[in-house]
Amino acid sequence: KAGVTQTPRYLIKTRGQQVTLSCSPISGHRSVSWYQQTPGQGLQFLFEYFSETQRNKGNFPGRFSGRQFSNSRSEMNVSTLELGDSALYLCASRDVNTEAFFGQGTRLTVV
Amino acid sequence: DQQVKQNSPSLSVQEGRISILNCDYTNSMFDYFLWYKKYPAEGPTFLISISSIKDKNEDGRFTVFLNKSAKHLSLHIVPSQPGDSAVYFCAASAESGTASKLTFGTGTRLQVTL
Repeated sequence: KAGVTQTPRYLIKTRGQQVTLSCSPISGHRSVSWYQQTPGQGLQFLFEYFSETQRNKGNFPGRFSGRQFSNSRSEMNVSTLELGDSALYLCASRDVNTEAFFGQGTRLTVV
Repeated sequence: DQQVKQNSPSLSVQEGRISILNCDYTNSMFDYFLWYKKYPAEGPTFLISISSIKDKNEDGRFTVFLNKSAKHLSLHIVPSQPGDSAVYFCAASAESGTASKLTFGTGTRLQVTL
C-alpha cells in the first residue's frame, strides 16, 4: 500500500496570503488528521476529519480550516498568513482501529 | 501546560546496549499511548503503542511499559543499533483508546554510538 502523500513538500508564501495543503491518506483509511510542528511548540494537533466531517479540533484560530472529500483526501487551508505560521505541517491517516500513520509533511515558510 | 513531557532532550547509548526513553503525562483521561521515531525532514514513523488497560507491550526490540499510578511510560530498545539514532516522540490520546487527537511530548534525541 502507498503511504500518506502530502503535496507540496515545500512552499514559500508572503504574509497576508493564503495557502492550501493537500493530503492523500493510505487507501482504506477514512480518518485524516493535521498537525503543526514548530521548534517552539512541538507537534500540535490541528483537526481531524472522518468521513467528510470534522470530528475533533485543536486550539488554533479560525484562519486554519480544513475539509475532506468523499475519497478521503483532505485539504488544509490557512488564510491571512502570519510569520508564525511557518512550520512543518503533517498529515496523518488511520482507520478506526489502526495507529496514526504520518506523511512526510509540507514545509511552509512565510516571509 | 505541557500534558506530555519528555524531560530528557537527548540520550547517548552505545551500540548493543539498552536505550530507555521516558515520558510523563499529567492528564488522567489519556487512555492510549504511542511512540514515534522521527528523522529530520520526514514525518514521524509509528513504533509501538499501549492501551491503558495494559502495563507492557512488546514488539521485537521495542518494549513499552506503562505505570498508570505514576503517570509514566518508557520505551526500551534492546539491543540498540546505529539506525535507531533519531528523535523519539511520546504521544497520548484521550479518545476511547484510539490514535485520535494525539498530544505529543517534545521529543528525545537518541544517538547510538559505535
